[in-house]
Amino acid sequence: GAGVSQSPSNKVTEKGKDVELRCDPISGHTALYWYRQSLGQGLEFLIYFQGNSAPDKSGLPSDRFSAERTGGSVSTLTIQRTQQEDSAVYLCATDRGGYTNTQYFGPGTRLTVL
Amino acid sequence: AQSVTQLDSQVPVFEEAPVELRCNYSSSVSVYLFWYVQYPNQGLQLLLKYLSGSTLVESINGFEAEFNKSQTSFHLRKPSVHISDTAEYFCAVSETGGYNKLIFGAGTRLAVHP
Repeated sequence: GAGVSQSPSNKVTEKGKDVELRCDPISGHTALYWYRQSLGQGLEFLIYFQGNSAPDKSGLPSDRFSAERTGGSVSTLTIQRTQQEDSAVYLCATDRGGYTNTQYFGPGTRLTVL
Repeated sequence: AQSVTQLDSQVPVFEEAPVELRCNYSSSVSVYLFWYVQYPNQGLQLLLKYLSGSTLVESINGFEAEFNKSQTSFHLRKPSVHISDTAEYFCAVSETGGYNKLIFGAGTRLAVHP
């Protein structure tokens, strides 16, 4: 596609439920990042994938958060046993890898935990 | 570790007036510097970036930013703003020689009034 796409655009869930958020990168982009945008914390890095290398998970806030990237393309971010503090906009960004330094962001998934 | 400080959370300004959005960073290593813009109900877009070379960088819509290493600053300026510049502006850094993980400031909401 022309840009990074994310689904769903909005997700409302009950506390304690699991959720999966999806990111479809720009074709040919080998690097993929997840960020979280929340009122209290601003924009925070969560996780980074580059090709087949082990991901950098240093930004994941707890072990309830996990992500995978299948075949170097689509990525899913999973949040288990959601809590109200998980409410935020989850952003996916991709770039061509190397040192191009231009990340292209998707529109985000707005997660609301009731 | 790096951190980014945007000193103003909100900047109100009249149309055609000049504006400066301030950004300071802290880092023990060399960094690249970025300004991203988020228009209402839209995703994050790269506005401009400093990687190397001339310390003054410009965007296609009239914004410019100057990297000042001694002041550890990367302030964003525009000599004459338009209503359409109303948006949230995020300053960010990433470590040179590493991958492009972005560390963001808290953002500055620019509100341009007629």
